Amino acid sequence: EVQLLGSGGGLVQPGGSLRLSCAASGFTFSSYAMSWVRQAPGKGLEWVSAITGSGGSTYYTDSVKGRCTISRDNSKNTLYLQMNSLRAEDTALYYCARLWDKLYFDNWGQGTLVTVSS
Amino acid sequence: EIVLTQSPATLSLSPGERATLSCRASQSVRNYLAWYQQKPGQAPRLLIYDASNRATGVPARFSGSGSGTDFTLTISSLEPEDFALYYCQQRSNWPPLTFGGGTKVEIK
Repeated sequence: EVQLLGSGGGLVQPGGSLRLSCAASGFTFSSYAMSWVRQAPGKGLEWVSAITGSGGSTYYTDSVKGRCTISRDNSKNTLYLQMNSLRAEDTALYYCARLWDKLYFDNWGQGTLVTVSS
Repeated sequence: EIVLTQSPATLSLSPGERATLSCRASQSVRNYLAWYQQKPGQAPRLLIYDASNRATGVPARFSGSGSGTDFTLTISSLEPEDFALYYCQQRSNWPPLTFGGGTKVEIK
């Protein structure tokens, strides 16, 4: 069974930093691209970032470019999102999701909540 | 960036009724469109991919159709567990991968 367990969320002040983690199990982690998708309270889904299985290519939505870095450690089956210069509008539930090779999200974690507030 | 517009925002129906949800793209996405279901407090679940293919384990009452810019998700006969939020997502032209704003299917 595919499992994605996100962690690392919390309350942070504007301008602060946070690193999210997602521990994967139940599949060959290095064979899949992975992604972060966020959902602001009461709002819809927004794709944030993606990384190929090898980690060689990364992609970002414009609003986080230059502030966030996606990475992965295939030896630890773990996905990361380093978030810097956080803003109030980054407040959301952050889901890690497996990206099927058709570029759809076929498995999702439970989400980790990031709150940016002073 | 391809913008996906879902309508209606809310659909009020009774169990057993047919639900028809729409997703319109700002430019052609060919058939590269998926539908997700999200229940309160849960992560989304992939229902339909490539416009009309059901994901593993998805009941046959869910069907998708369309191509180009206009897509439809149909639930042939609503079960109590189908009352939820539904999102479409395109992968035709990325980054970014984009989602629609969602349609809430609520009990009338």
